[in-house]
Amino acid sequence: EVQLLESGGGLVQPGGSLRLSCAASGFTFRSYAMRWVRQAPGKGLEWVSVISNSGGSTYYTDSVKGRFTISRDNSKNTLYLQMNSLRAEDTAVYYCTKGVSSTWNDAFDIWGQGTMVTVSS
Amino acid sequence: QPVLTQSSSASASLGSSVKLTCTLSSGHSTYIIAWHQQQPGKAPRYLMNLEGRGSHNKGSGVPDRFSGSSSGADRYLTISNIQSEDEADYYCETWASNTHVFGGGTKLTVL
Repeated sequence: EVQLLESGGGLVQPGGSLRLSCAASGFTFRSYAMRWVRQAPGKGLEWVSVISNSGGSTYYTDSVKGRFTISRDNSKNTLYLQMNSLRAEDTAVYYCTKGVSSTWNDAFDIWGQGTMVTVSS
Repeated sequence: QPVLTQSSSASASLGSSVKLTCTLSSGHSTYIIAWHQQQPGKAPRYLMNLEGRGSHNKGSGVPDRFSGSSSGADRYLTISNIQSEDEADYYCETWASNTHVFGGGTKLTVL
């Protein structure tokens, strides 16, 4: 069974940092692009960042550029999101999702259960 | 960058059908989109991707009651024989120019 399990969320003060992890199982992780999508409380879905299967291509939504870094460790079947200089508006549930192919510009068909990040003093 | 427009809400009676619309912005009418369902309190679930010609590929385990179609810049999600568990938010998304874009979502109420 294909599974994505996020972890690392929590409460952090403005300006602080967190690293999210997404442990993948049930598929050949190194063959697929991966991404992060977030959802603020009561709001819609917002794409955050995407990474190709090799990690050679990464892209970010404008609001997180320079603050967030997406990466992956294909030997550990794990996706990461390093979040620095966190702001109140980064408060959201963060979902890890799996692509249907190796490239970033394609559909993403599997979602994790999400991890909550709260930025507040 | 493309923009996706969805109605904020829709309603349908149990056992009936409903057609949800996602409209691509000008200049992006040929783009492929994906539909996702988010039931209350749950993570989203991928339903299908949908091409401009109307061909679609559904996700694993998605019931046959869910189908997709296209007309010009409009992408449709049709749900037939609506069940109570179909009450959910439905999001379309697309990807281009190194970015992914979601529509605002349609909240479907089952009467």
